[in-house]
Amino acid sequence: SQKIEQNSEALNIQEGKTATLTCNYTNYSPAYLQWYRQDPGRGPVFLLLIRENEKEKRKERLKVTFDTTLKQSLFHITASQPADSATYLCARTTSNQFYFGTGTSLTVIP
Amino acid sequence: SQTIHQWPATLVQPVGSPLSLECTVEGTSNPNLYWYRQAAGRGLQLLFYSVGIGQISSEVPQNLSASRPQDRQFILSSKKLLLSDSGFYLCAWRWGAEAFFGQGTRLTVV
Repeated sequence: SQKIEQNSEALNIQEGKTATLTCNYTNYSPAYLQWYRQDPGRGPVFLLLIRENEKEKRKERLKVTFDTTLKQSLFHITASQPADSATYLCARTTSNQFYFGTGTSLTVIP
Repeated sequence: SQTIHQWPATLVQPVGSPLSLECTVEGTSNPNLYWYRQAAGRGLQLLFYSVGIGQISSEVPQNLSASRPQDRQFILSSKKLLLSDSGFYLCAWRWGAEAFFGQGTRLTVV
């Protein structure tokens, strides 16, 4: 089956460091992957989309990479801040559906 | 601009009681609409999606049903709730490759 997987372990980092989250996919080749942020008790919010022909996409302190050989997307937050603490989800889409990974909880320690 | 409304925000229902959660979208027409459920500490599970009025696709067999009586209205229902129906229910709509979520309904079945 087609799967999208994230490291379910929580990630704790020191403020100012770079946080790196991983999203792996198996048994398919997505045309693009997306990353969302979810705060407790709220719906996910779209952050970035990266297409298969793009190696890297940036938005302010956020950077996403897409390695079709490794079947992996990495999500980086540089100069992390306590306000970046949240759960980050990657997602793949088909023609009609969105499928989400289980998310990685990030805590930035002041 | 487009907005999505979902209500109620929280709901406590006894086992065996019916359920009706409503979601409406404003500022767009003929959107793809989605219902997701998120159990505590778990990922987003796609329950239903709809590409048009009266068109409902179910992802997993369950105690729930969905209906789309109007273009921008999506309803999640159950005739008799089970304890296992507890969770965080999210409605979403699609714009291009992005999903936009409502604020969610926290359902507790007691």
